[in-house]
Amino acid sequence: GENVEQHPSTLSVQEGDSAVIKCTYSDSASNYFPWYKQELGKRPQLIIDIRSNVGEKKDQRIAVTLNKTAKHFSLHITETQPEDSAVYFCAAKGSGGSYIPTFGRGTSLIVHP
Amino acid sequence: EAGVAQSPRYKIIEKRQSVAFWCNPISGHATLYWYQQILGQGPKLLIQFQNNGVVDDSQLPKDRFSAERLKGVDSTLKIQPAKLEDSAVYLCASSLLAGVNEQFFGPGTRLTVL
Repeated sequence: GENVEQHPSTLSVQEGDSAVIKCTYSDSASNYFPWYKQELGKRPQLIIDIRSNVGEKKDQRIAVTLNKTAKHFSLHITETQPEDSAVYFCAAKGSGGSYIPTFGRGTSLIVHP
Repeated sequence: EAGVAQSPRYKIIEKRQSVAFWCNPISGHATLYWYQQILGQGPKLLIQFQNNGVVDDSQLPKDRFSAERLKGVDSTLKIQPAKLEDSAVYLCASSLLAGVNEQFFGPGTRLTVL
């Protein structure tokens, strides 16, 4: 089955700095890579996703890059703000209904004012 | 539109007791997922339904966990009997179709097994 590794487990930055979270996956058949933000005690919410036919996607201060050859993808947050503080999860999923969405263990991002 | 609904939000039981969780997905969403999220970890898929059929339950501990979605709308997840290691948040999610991948999560049920 799919195995998703996520690093770092904790990331502490100053407000205004950039933050980068990296994930690797094992199943070359995976073709959908979402990122979720989960604030303390709340549900995970999708913030950005990327499909395997695209190398990079950007949405305001958030961007995701995908390297299919190396089987890794990354989340980039620029100009971080205290409200970006949360746990971020990457996930990988193949096509079709029977592919299990597999999540990373999460990165706790702390943005200091 | 209304989001994914789950109940109860919190449940405390003793080991060996039974517990059931309920989920109502977003209207029209054919695919429903149940996840287990242990503190400090990412969600782990337990079972995935497409309408009222099971698509994947390979990670469901079938000796104690069961789930159903009889009419293809709402779903229940049951644990019988519960163990200490079942303490976790149980998240329900839904998506329009399995091939349309964005999942919307419910607020979760926090289970504590004493």
